[in-house]
Amino acid sequence: QSVLTQPPSVSAAPGQKVTISCSGSSSNIGNNYVSWYQQLPGTAPKLLIYENDKRPSGIPDRFSGSKSGTSATLGITGLQTGDEADYYCGTWDSSLSAGVFGGGTKLTVL
Amino acid sequence: QVQLQESGPGLVKSSETLSLTCTVSGGSISSYYWSWIRQPPGKGLEWIGSIFYTGSTNYNPSLKSRVTISVDMSKNQFSLKLTSVSAADTALYYCARGRIGGVLWGQGTLVTVSS
Repeated sequence: QSVLTQPPSVSAAPGQKVTISCSGSSSNIGNNYVSWYQQLPGTAPKLLIYENDKRPSGIPDRFSGSKSGTSATLGITGLQTGDEADYYCGTWDSSLSAGVFGGGTKLTVL
Repeated sequence: QVQLQESGPGLVKSSETLSLTCTVSGGSISSYYWSWIRQPPGKGLEWIGSIFYTGSTNYNPSLKSRVTISVDMSKNQFSLKLTSVSAADTALYYCARGRIGGVLWGQGTLVTVSS
């Protein structure tokens, strides 16, 4: 069981918007930065969002991140079939002195 | 550009030690955190541990008794050792730059534990 909680799956139609939640506690999300990763089938995870809401170079602004209290959210607008992937949130847990990931969310673009 | 490459045996016998190395090319290992993350087949990401270039480490509490991560600045490499492996340690092992991964990841290497 993961320290961070994500929904196992989400789905939406092409062109629509979807949000993926990541719930934690004060020892992790509440007091540390959150990152989001996209993992396409058969590939290494790709950093989409870091420090809660920043995008690395090359990541389109269709992807956004936010954090409130002990939860974080990844938003994806203008969904494309190429966005079908697994998405993971990750952060540091100050109590564990360890990194933690969510269990992952599978996005289906219908 | 900076690239990471994992290397090591793809098959390890149960109860033995898994040893992997991550070679950093195109840049220096200095001034960054480096991490190991694994993914069992069909499952999610699991953080194994991280090391700062100075040698300071943090480990997943569930693996701490079996894990050692070290850095060799002269070779621009960092390494993972996991002792007393079992079938539960069969996974795709990734190295990455950053405390919990980051923008740079290796392609991953599959390690299978056989009985």
